[in-house]
Amino acid sequence: QVQLKESGPGLVQPSETLSLTCTVSGFSLTSYSVSWVRQPSGKGPEWMGRMWYDGDTAYNSALKSRLSISRDTSKNQVFLKMNSLQTDDTGTYYCSRDPLYSAYFDYWGQGVMVTVSS
Amino acid sequence: IQLTQSPSLLSASVGDRVTLSCKGSQNINNYLAWYQQKLGEAPKLLIYNTNSLQTGIPSRFSGSGSGTDYTLTISSLQPEDVATYFCYQYNNGWTFGGGTKLELK
Repeated sequence: QVQLKESGPGLVQPSETLSLTCTVSGFSLTSYSVSWVRQPSGKGPEWMGRMWYDGDTAYNSALKSRLSISRDTSKNQVFLKMNSLQTDDTGTYYCSRDPLYSAYFDYWGQGVMVTVSS
Repeated sequence: IQLTQSPSLLSASVGDRVTLSCKGSQNINNYLAWYQQKLGEAPKLLIYNTNSLQTGIPSRFSGSGSGTDYTLTISSLQPEDVATYFCYQYNNGWTFGGGTKLELK
């Protein structure tokens, strides 16, 4: 069955770089696109960026200068790197899958809580 | 496109018909989805393309709308429907609304 699982550090120092991994199973990254979505506590989700099935990427314009998304199809993994973290980057980070030929999210990972604090 | 959801908090009784609103700053062309998020869980897809029910979702959930105005309706509220509901547009960029928290009266 389709599964996504995020992994990475729960605590990041201000001004440091966040690195997260999304490991997927039950589908191919060369057929389906995967996005990163984050959610501050008590607020609505924010789409961060997408790794398209063809290897292209798209980024939220508000984060584009700090964000990089890549993948390793042999390991079924999608990676997020975001630099210059600040306290308002604290929240839960999810990876999610698009269904074929569309750009909403039909499956989500459980999420990973990231706290930016010294 | 910015999405504004109303109300931000809704109290209703079991069995009530409940309507949640989502308004876009521009035409969304029916590329709108609804998600349910319970405390401590990831969002769950309910509706896509304005009115298509995701597999496994109870038929008491339905979506409608066009242009800039969209609605999620729960025909008969159940206790397990207590959650926060988010709309999401994928017509021009990809954005979520701020959410409607649904609680039992």
